[in-house]
Amino acid sequence: DTAVSQTPKYLVTQMGNDKSIKCEQNLGHDTMYWYKQDSKKFLKIMFSYNNKELIINETVPNRFSPKSPDKAHLNLHINSLELGDSAVYFCASSRLAGELTDTQYFGPGTRLTVL
Amino acid sequence: KNQVEQSPQSLIILEGKNCTLQCNYTVSPFSNLRWYKQDTGRGPVSLTIMTFSENTKSNGRYTATLDADTKQSSLHITASQLSDSASYICVVQKGTGGFKTIFGAGTRLFVKA
Repeated sequence: DTAVSQTPKYLVTQMGNDKSIKCEQNLGHDTMYWYKQDSKKFLKIMFSYNNKELIINETVPNRFSPKSPDKAHLNLHINSLELGDSAVYFCASSRLAGELTDTQYFGPGTRLTVL
Repeated sequence: KNQVEQSPQSLIILEGKNCTLQCNYTVSPFSNLRWYKQDTGRGPVSLTIMTFSENTKSNGRYTATLDADTKQSSLHITASQLSDSASYICVVQKGTGGFKTIFGAGTRLFVKA
């Protein structure tokens, strides 16, 4: 009965590789997000999609490209991985658009390690 | 500069005791403040959301307070349980500019038997 699921849970890869992280929510929410949590535990929003359309795109290298095939899925593709990309990536969803007072539901996270 | 600072950085308490976590922010204009609980290896889970007009909000043994004048919030945990061991993250959302969300670094709470 997982509300927001991500795969894989762990990802270890070499510098320069391209990788994808998948996210799915079964809550019927319209909005999905990607967050990055660095080693200091700060969470920062990367992207937000509402009904498959990009609504928030923080300052993120264009090596990161989100893709939303439908409103239940928001995948994150990363090209030419760098050491600094190592972090835990969280997917989240909420019922309403944007980041209003609506509750966000987070996935379990994907720990990416770039060697 | 929009910042959210939490204290203490970490805290150890005995099971059954109460504790209070602090959050100070400089985010302006203010929209809302949230407290999240993040268990190790898991995503954050929302505990409370407060807007400008709300002073206090409870969720079971968790009670959050907000003083929008001094830009301070606290999260009080009553009768702590071992399962309360987690990171507690304070999050403040701006009222304009794309609803920018600023996360604090969290307070790591350890509850010991």
